[in-house]
Formats: sequence, C-alpha cells, structure tokens
Amino acid sequence: DTAVSQTPKYLVTQMGNDKSIKCEQNLGHDTMYWYKQDSKKFLKIMFSYNNKELIINETVPNRFSPKSPDKAHLNLHINSLELGDSAVYFCASSLGVGELFFGEGSRLTVL
Amino acid sequence: QQQVKQSPQSLIVQKGGISIINCAYENTAFDYFPWYQQFPGKGPALLIAIRPDVSEKKEGRFTISFNKSAKQFSLHIMDSQPGDSATYFCAASLGNFNKFYFGSGTKLNVKP
Repeated sequence: DTAVSQTPKYLVTQMGNDKSIKCEQNLGHDTMYWYKQDSKKFLKIMFSYNNKELIINETVPNRFSPKSPDKAHLNLHINSLELGDSAVYFCASSLGVGELFFGEGSRLTVL
Repeated sequence: QQQVKQSPQSLIVQKGGISIINCAYENTAFDYFPWYQQFPGKGPALLIAIRPDVSEKKEGRFTISFNKSAKQFSLHIMDSQPGDSATYFCAASLGNFNKFYFGSGTKLNVKP
C-alpha cells in the first residue's frame, strides 16, 4: 500500500563493494528522483527520470548509475563503494512539476 | 554554492509558542517554495507551499510568509505542539525541471 517504497532500508557493506537500491512507486507518477541526505541532513538531488528518460544528472561520480526500467521503477547501482558514500538515499516521485513524494530512505553504511 | 540558506539550525520552543524558521534564496527564477517536514526514520513530506505571486499562505497552524523583494520566506508554526517536533526543510524549485534545492534543515524541538 506504500506510495513510494525502497529496498533495502539498511545496507552495511565494505569499501570497494557494489550495491543496488531499488525504488517503486504506485502513484502513477511520471517523474522519479534519487536524493542523497548526508550526515548533516543536507538533501541533494542526484538524478531525475521522466518517463524513463534521464532529465537531471547532477555532479555525481560515475560510480553511481541509475536505471529506470519503466516509469514506476527507478534503481540506483553504486560501484566501488567509498566511505564518503555513507548516507541516506531517498527515492521520490512527482506528477510532472509539483509535490515530491519521498520514500522512507535507504541508509547505506560503508565500512 | 548553496542555493537556499536556512536558519536556525535548531530551535527549541515551549508548547503553545510560535516557531519561526527562515530561508533566503538567490535565484530569482525560482517559482515554487515548499516546506517539507521530516520525522526520524521517515522521508520528508510536503507541509505547505507557496508561489511568488502571493505574500502569505496559511494552512491551519502553519503559515508561509514570502518577501519577493528580499528573496526571503519563512515558516511560522502557531501554537506549537510536541507532535510538531521534527526537522523542517525549505526548498525552492525551477518549475520546468521540477529541480528542488533544499535548505540545510532546522531541527525543531517543542517542549511539553
């Protein structure tokens, strides 16, 4: 029943590993996003997809690769994890231009 | 460079008091200014939003005041309640791209 759902909620992994976070929305929205929230709670956009097309790609290391198989799903794959990647990653969606609906976040800890 | 600056970083208010959080922005092209509320372990959720063609918007105990010439906007929470204790984020966006720039957040603690 959850509008924007992300899995997993927690990831703990070693430096150098590869990990993925999955996101699904059942709101019928056409735009999906990945945001990163650092330890100081600062929220920063990483990527945005509209109908499976990448429309926002902020200055993010190319170790981060988003994939949108359809407009209800947006996944984030991270290669060669570094300590600085530790953060909470939020998926969000919207219907075109408007309110963002966020998931509950995926807390990534890199050891 | 931070596009939206928010203050204070933290705020303690007694129950029944008024909580005021301020934000300032630089880009005059921003055309949508929402406030988001985030509880621990949850994602941010839209609280209230305003467009620059109005100077104030009120929804229940929550009011946004907007000063276009000063490029500032603020959130006022009247009759603050312990249940309002959360982190509040202001944001600004460029309409066509729905690209949001968030402030750094204010952690509000309402004491009973």
